[in-house]
Amino acid sequence: GAVVSQHPSWVICKSGTSVKIECRSLDFQATTMFWYRQFPKQSLMLMATSNEGSKATYEQGVEKDKFLINHASLTLSTLTVTSAHPEDSSFYICSARLAGAGQPQHFGDGTRLSIL
Amino acid sequence: GDSVTQMEGPVTLSEEAFLTINCTYTATGYPSLFWYVQYPGEGLQLLLKATKADDKGSNKGFEATYRKETTSFHLEKGSVQVSDSAVYFCALTIRPTGNQFYFGTGTSLTVIP
Repeated sequence: GAVVSQHPSWVICKSGTSVKIECRSLDFQATTMFWYRQFPKQSLMLMATSNEGSKATYEQGVEKDKFLINHASLTLSTLTVTSAHPEDSSFYICSARLAGAGQPQHFGDGTRLSIL
Repeated sequence: GDSVTQMEGPVTLSEEAFLTINCTYTATGYPSLFWYVQYPGEGLQLLLKATKADDKGSNKGFEATYRKETTSFHLEKGSVQVSDSAVYFCALTIRPTGNQFYFGTGTSLTVIP
């Protein structure tokens, strides 16, 4: 149980393109999902918390207009990297958790984004 | 504030060696503690967890005990295999909301035959 699916797993595109990444909770409903960015050989950096039916909460230093988050349903959150540039190339990972104290976060398999 | 400090790597062990990866934490409330594993090119997988003091989480031969007196949650395995090569992350969340997760910097483990 508690499977999170992330799509696509790999994207290569030209500079200036907008890229959408989907995160789905397959067998549970998630009112809250999380988006992380991971640089090579580093830990995860929380970018934003995605809340179903309301605006996402962004971490300090993360550009809201650059990284658009939409959480339109209890099983789907999307991250759109707008007008992507080479410095946006990274590994993006989403997660979701079941409600309740002590519940772990369940992660998608990540999306490798490469901007040429 | 709340944070996790994790043993720096990389760690290289021979197959069947004993593994310990240290993790200590600071928490303002009541933390739940987790170990995640990340294989190359993949997302994080939950390895084990403990939600209260003295709990022992275990999975796939890995163990970690939530020790409140030393604020630690060290990961151990008695006999590592090549397939255990991965990056291991210690993490905590604070009850009751549990939304904010704090991750350690990760420890890379390489097991050689």
